Parts: sequence; C-alpha cells; structure tokens
Amino acid sequence: QSALTQPASVSGSPGQSITISCTGTSSDVGGYNYVSWYQQHPGKVPKVLIYEVTNRPSGVSSRFSGSKSGNTASLIISGLQAEDEADYYCNSYTSSSTFVFGTGTKVTVL
Amino acid sequence: QVQLVESEGGVVQPGRSLRLSCTASGFTFSDFSMHWVRQAPGEGLEWVAVIRFDGTREHYADSVEGRFTISRDNSKRELYLQLNSLRPEDTATYYCAREGPGSTWSHFDNWGQGTLVTVSS
Repeated sequence: QSALTQPASVSGSPGQSITISCTGTSSDVGGYNYVSWYQQHPGKVPKVLIYEVTNRPSGVSSRFSGSKSGNTASLIISGLQAEDEADYYCNSYTSSSTFVFGTGTKVTVL
Repeated sequence: QVQLVESEGGVVQPGRSLRLSCTASGFTFSDFSMHWVRQAPGEGLEWVAVIRFDGTREHYADSVEGRFTISRDNSKRELYLQLNSLRPEDTATYYCAREGPGSTWSHFDNWGQGTLVTVSS
C-alpha cells in the first residue's frame, strides 16, 4: 500500500488555473473510478471536493473539477482564490479492498 | 446535520492498548459504512480501516493489520477502534469518517473533529 504520488507543492496567482496530479498504479487509481480529493486548511478537518473521479458534492465550488487518465488522476482548480491556499490529498480505492491517500500537495496563492 | 464525535485520545505507553469511539448523529448510522483515518503531526493523511454498514466486513491498512480492530454497535450509533501493541509511529490525530451514500466504497463525505493519540514512554 504505497502512497499515491502527488507534487509537494503547486502555486499560482489569483485567477489562474492550477492542476494537481495524483499517480498510482493499475491496482488503485488506474483500476477503479473511485478517486476522491480532499482539501485541508491548517488545523482543520479534511473536506471532500471531488468523489468518483469527477463528481462534486453539493456546496463545493464549480471551480474544482477532476479527471483521470490511466494511472493518473488530476484535480483542477480554476479561478484560483486566496481561500484555496491549503493542503490537498487524493485518495483511491484499491484492489485489496482498502484505500490509499496521496502524499499531499501544498497549494500556495501568490 | 451529520455529526461525528470522537472520544478523547490521550498519552499511552508503547506496547499498551487504547480504545477510541465515535458517536454518530444526524443520519441513519446503520445505513453507512464507516472509516478511521489518521494524521501524524505535520504529516499527511493515512487511511486506517473500514467497516461495512452491517459490520460483516472490515479491512485494514497494512501498517495496522493484526494490531487494530474496527467495530461498531449500530444500536448505540457508535464506531470503535481498538488499538493494541501501540508504537510511537501510531502517534496521530485519529478521525472517524462516514463513507459516502450508496452501496460502493468510494469516499469519505463527513469527518469528525479528530482525537489525538500520543504513544510515548
């Protein structure tokens, strides 16, 4: 159960779009459409942004979107805002009926 | 609204045991699978365990398999995590989290506030 690979940090200016990648294997990301993304502000509880690759829970801004190609999933944040500065984690169901998180990405708004 | 409230953690010596509980309200607890997720200080999220809504299936991360046990009491609306043979590397904030609605296991849609467990002599 190795953690999924995410870039340690991504930055962008307000209004820009950024993409966070999440790379796994055919036993997790590539094998199932059960990839989800979480946002965590410092000292706060994680919040789900995207589930099942592309679905957005009610109440989550449409500026957040997800996609997947092969063993890599992506979270796209469009129209970057100061409040988007946080840590982001991907997660995937695995062939062992377990789950695995990504290594986490710190987003900085310049 | 959905509420998940974990019991207080605490400081435990290596090799000892601790049981965490999570009390649910605001939804039909027996309809939802439940997870435990942990986060070591300053580190990322780590999935720990899941239990099916009816308690008939459970799965664990390799790092805790054989030492931790997840269970539930639907009549009390409570989720548990028994932590045995604790190690310093088990030091973390432990979150209980609800699985999203539906029959498949895919994501965690509601989280408790978390409880800190510190393993130290």
